[in-house]
Amino acid sequence: KQEVTQIPAALSVPEGENLVLNCSFTDSAIYNLQWFRQDPGKGLTSLLLIQSSQREQTSGRLNASLDKSSGRSTLYIAASQPGDSATYLCAGDNAGNMLTFGGGTRLMVKP
Amino acid sequence: DGGITQSPKYLFRKEGQNVTLSCEQNLNHDAMYWYRQDPGQGLRLIYYSQIVNDFQKGDIAEGYSVSREKKESFPLTVTSAQKNPTAFYLCASSIWSSGRMNTEAFFGQGTRLTVV
Repeated sequence: KQEVTQIPAALSVPEGENLVLNCSFTDSAIYNLQWFRQDPGKGLTSLLLIQSSQREQTSGRLNASLDKSSGRSTLYIAASQPGDSATYLCAGDNAGNMLTFGGGTRLMVKP
Repeated sequence: DGGITQSPKYLFRKEGQNVTLSCEQNLNHDAMYWYRQDPGQGLRLIYYSQIVNDFQKGDIAEGYSVSREKKESFPLTVTSAQKNPTAFYLCASSIWSSGRMNTEAFFGQGTRLTVV
């Protein structure tokens, strides 16, 4: 069964810093890898979807990569801002299964 | 605006009571999902539906029931058999193609259920 782990569980950085959030998964037969943002008490907002044939996706200051062979995905946030403070979740799906979520990384960007 | 609407935002349930959470989408998506989120844990799948009048159990289906009578709607009932129902419930939808969920999943804003 697919297991998804996100490290660290929490991260605090000063504004302007570039940062990397990590996501690892146990089953390399992953098909899609999706990154989400969740604000306190809110639903999930899709940030980036990396499909099976892709290795990375970019949107504005965000870049996500997927390395199936090593079982890792990373979310890179450039020039972090206080508005980036939220919990970031990664989720993967593989053959016949639904999305399996990591526990999330809670990010705090200090002004 | 296209999207997923969950209601109510907050729901309180008495012991032994059944309650129903609403989820409606106007994205014309085939597949819909219900997840449960507990503090400090990731999302766990309760039920999912790929097409109208069909649904499948997820990892934690015990104590829950669903129906899919319309493409746009996927209500979740939390029954009295669910012993620890206090949680944040999230509904999602996606296109279902070739038997796989190979496009983005979109989520509603959630319903927080509390047992009183």
